[in-house]
Amino acid sequence: AQSVSQHNHHVILSEAASLELGCNYSYGGTVNLFWYVQYPGQHLQLLLKYFSGDPLVKGIKGFEAEFIKSKFSFNLRKPSVQWSDTAEYFCAVSSGGSYIPTFGRGTSLIVHP
Amino acid sequence: GAGVSQSPSNKVTEKGKDVELRCDPISGHTALYWYRQSLGQGLEFLIYFQGNSAPDKSGLPSDRFSAERTGGSVSTLTIQRTQQEDSAVYLCASSMSGTTTGELFFGEGSRLTVL
Repeated sequence: AQSVSQHNHHVILSEAASLELGCNYSYGGTVNLFWYVQYPGQHLQLLLKYFSGDPLVKGIKGFEAEFIKSKFSFNLRKPSVQWSDTAEYFCAVSSGGSYIPTFGRGTSLIVHP
Repeated sequence: GAGVSQSPSNKVTEKGKDVELRCDPISGHTALYWYRQSLGQGLEFLIYFQGNSAPDKSGLPSDRFSAERTGGSVSTLTIQRTQQEDSAVYLCASSMSGTTTGELFFGEGSRLTVL
């Protein structure tokens, strides 16, 4: 069974700092990759996704992620975070023709103003 | 409705009681998913529906858990004889067609507390 690892469980940053959240997965075949975000008191929503093409994917609110196949990674980045980026971030992977995304444990990001 | 609707938003029950959680997906979405989110844990897959059938129910943790979907729309997750370890947020999501690249649209969840 595939697994998804998010190494940073809690991240605390000041505004304008750069962000990188790690995500690694275990499946060796074709994968579809997602980052979801859950703002306080809100439901999970899609931040960005990759399924083919340019491995550097741009999402909403200035976020981007890079798929590095050789490293089985899909790290999320933002050059300058804002207080409003405070949220829980989840990496997810679907693979092998499966319709079921597997989610990581999530990373709690707190941005201090 | 505009989004995925779940009810109740909060449920407190006593150990041993049965509970039903409801999910109303986005109109026209054929795929429906149930996940469970426990404190400090990620999203644990429970069951997937395509239309009214459940081709993958491998995530249901025990035979106390069951789910159905009727009319290709509303789904109900039932937990019988609840245990304290069932306490979690139960999330429902739907997607247009259940493709591997499809975006999941989540509800706000039903928080279950078993005393």
